[in-house]
Amino acid sequence: ETGVTQSPTHLIKTRGQQVTLRCSSQSGHNTVSWYQQALGQGPQFIFQYYREEENGRGNFPPRFSGLQFPNYSSELNVNALELDDSALYLCASSIGQGVPSPLHFGNGTRLTVT
Amino acid sequence: DQQVKQNSPSLSVQEGRISILNCDYTNSMFDYFLWYKKYPAEGPTFLISISSIKDKNEDGRFTVFLNKSAKHLSLHIVPSQPGDSAVYFCAASEPQGGSEKLVFGKGTKLTVNP
Repeated sequence: ETGVTQSPTHLIKTRGQQVTLRCSSQSGHNTVSWYQQALGQGPQFIFQYYREEENGRGNFPPRFSGLQFPNYSSELNVNALELDDSALYLCASSIGQGVPSPLHFGNGTRLTVT
Repeated sequence: DQQVKQNSPSLSVQEGRISILNCDYTNSMFDYFLWYKKYPAEGPTFLISISSIKDKNEDGRFTVFLNKSAKHLSLHIVPSQPGDSAVYFCAASEPQGGSEKLVFGKGTKLTVNP
């Protein structure tokens, strides 16, 4: 069973730039979620995708957007990067809607905005 | 406004003794609770969960207790082992139109001393 994989592991960007982070779901999982973890904080929900559609969003501005592909892999895009976007970005997958189930996380992408 | 609170940033325990990690929540709509463990440079790993219809769930050395009237849950680790040293996150889920949004606490760093 392949777990959740994320790429890249580290990234340094300049304020105002755009970034794309990638995630491959655990096999058999059709739901993917993205979380932002700032230093000293717990992960914060950005949004969730199910069957290629966004079906839940946290308190993040529209410059945070995402995609889910037919193979359930996913991208997180952030436009007009700000210094406060520096954080660990975590992707998580789960088996699907309707039944509460644990999220399985990847190791994250560490984004630094300078 | 923090809906999930872990008031102890850190906890130190001797090997073989019991570790008790606490978590409080404010949202009475939460119906599913989880504990995650996180090692440095890794994503959170699912540990144990409990539905709001139960008050206890056990898995090996790990037991989670839920007190709905007090809006409090706790994780007991018995016996504690040095490999349990990690940051532990409490998380809660609210039914939200099929979305599995998790709300996390800030975490408690557990150190188990040999």
